[in-house]
Amino acid sequence: GDSVTQMEGPVTLSEEAFLTINCTYTATGYPSLFWYVQYPGEGLQLLLKATKADDKGSNKGFEATYRKETTSFHLEKGSVQVSDSAVYFCALGAGSYQLTFGKGTKLSVIP
Amino acid sequence: DADVTQTPRNRITKTGKRIMLECSQTKGHDRMYWYRQDPGLGLRLIYYSFDVKDINKGEISDGYSVSRQAQAKFSLSLESAIPNQTALYFCATSGARGTFSYEQYFGPGTRLTVT
Repeated sequence: GDSVTQMEGPVTLSEEAFLTINCTYTATGYPSLFWYVQYPGEGLQLLLKATKADDKGSNKGFEATYRKETTSFHLEKGSVQVSDSAVYFCALGAGSYQLTFGKGTKLSVIP
Repeated sequence: DADVTQTPRNRITKTGKRIMLECSQTKGHDRMYWYRQDPGLGLRLIYYSFDVKDINKGEISDGYSVSRQAQAKFSLSLESAIPNQTALYFCATSGARGTFSYEQYFGPGTRLTVT
């Protein structure tokens, strides 16, 4: 079945550091890929998405590129801020309109 | 106003009680979902519905039931709550009629504690 594996946290970075959160997937066919973010006390919000190979999703300074050859969709940001502290979920959509989520990576950014 | 609302936002109940969590959406979406979130386990799908007459079990449906009262309303019930159902519960919606998008939009969550 479909699955998503993302790096375990927690991840702690200093403000302005470079962020990478790794995500790899297993799926049949050509899934759509997503990153969601969950700020403390809130629901999940869509951060970015990519629907086909080599697409790059971007939003709020975050980027991720759909790499079919390595089945990966790593999240990156060049300079994190304290306000980026949250839990980040990688997800894939394939087949019957369901999303398969990774277990989440908690990011803490310290001043 | 929020597109996806959940009530209640917090609930404490006792073992054996019946409880209902409600979800409403104003996005005009056909597909609705219920998830639970537990620390270290991510989100797990409980039930999903593609329209009022189409309801499907997810990964962890045992101990739960749902009702799709209308296109915009999807309720989750715990018939006899037990402590290991203590979790954060999310409703999500997806897919305006005629679209094929996988994107889901989440409500703010209900924190349920079963004592």
